[in-house]
Amino acid sequence: DVKVTQSSRYLVKRTGEKVFLECVQDMDHENMFWYRQDPGLGLRLIYFSYDVKMKEKGDIPEGYSVSREKKERFSLILESASTNQTSMYLCASSSPGTGGRNYGYTFGSGTRLTVV
Amino acid sequence: QKEVEQDPGPLSVPEGAIVSLNCTYSNSAFQYFMWYRQYSRKGPELLMYTYSSGNKEDGRFTAQVDKSSKYISLFIRDSQPSDSATYLCAMTTETVFYGGSQGNLIFGKGTKLSVKP
Repeated sequence: DVKVTQSSRYLVKRTGEKVFLECVQDMDHENMFWYRQDPGLGLRLIYFSYDVKMKEKGDIPEGYSVSREKKERFSLILESASTNQTSMYLCASSSPGTGGRNYGYTFGSGTRLTVV
Repeated sequence: QKEVEQDPGPLSVPEGAIVSLNCTYSNSAFQYFMWYRQYSRKGPELLMYTYSSGNKEDGRFTAQVDKSSKYISLFIRDSQPSDSATYLCAMTTETVFYGGSQGNLIFGKGTKLSVKP
């Protein structure tokens, strides 16, 4: 099975701290994504990457940065955590399928981040 | 108008009922349609995948795509308490994506379903 592993299930951090969320996938997928999920707002794309050292802004990149030094690892960084960044963070990966079909994403289990 | 609209519910049904979950969309170029199931405090998992129009059946689940109406549905027959989850529709235009956002999925906000014993 494709596995997307997020390093922490639950995190509590203080306002102003620098926070690192780690994501590792084991299927050699080219594309990786970071979303946050909030009640009533659904999934919102923060950043994505389609290759090592490449990154693209999603819909809500402000206050976040990312790093992809290796193909299997995609890190989300909260430069200075704020209470409005309390959320469920989901990592996902994908790859062009056989015959060029798009088979969607595989998600990690999520990290529930609380900023106090 | 948002690209993908999905009624957030919540939807509560008795065990054994037939459940119908729906999404509408505005982009006629969408050709890949998916349904994800997300249990509480977990990540979404791919449940059904459909390319272009038509129906797809997998056990108690049927996914239906009507491109002329820009409408997709997920039917759950003989619903079980274990089906209680949030269901998200997702769709995209592109077949192959090497770089860029062309193949990124567009998600609905999800419908929360509760199946009561």
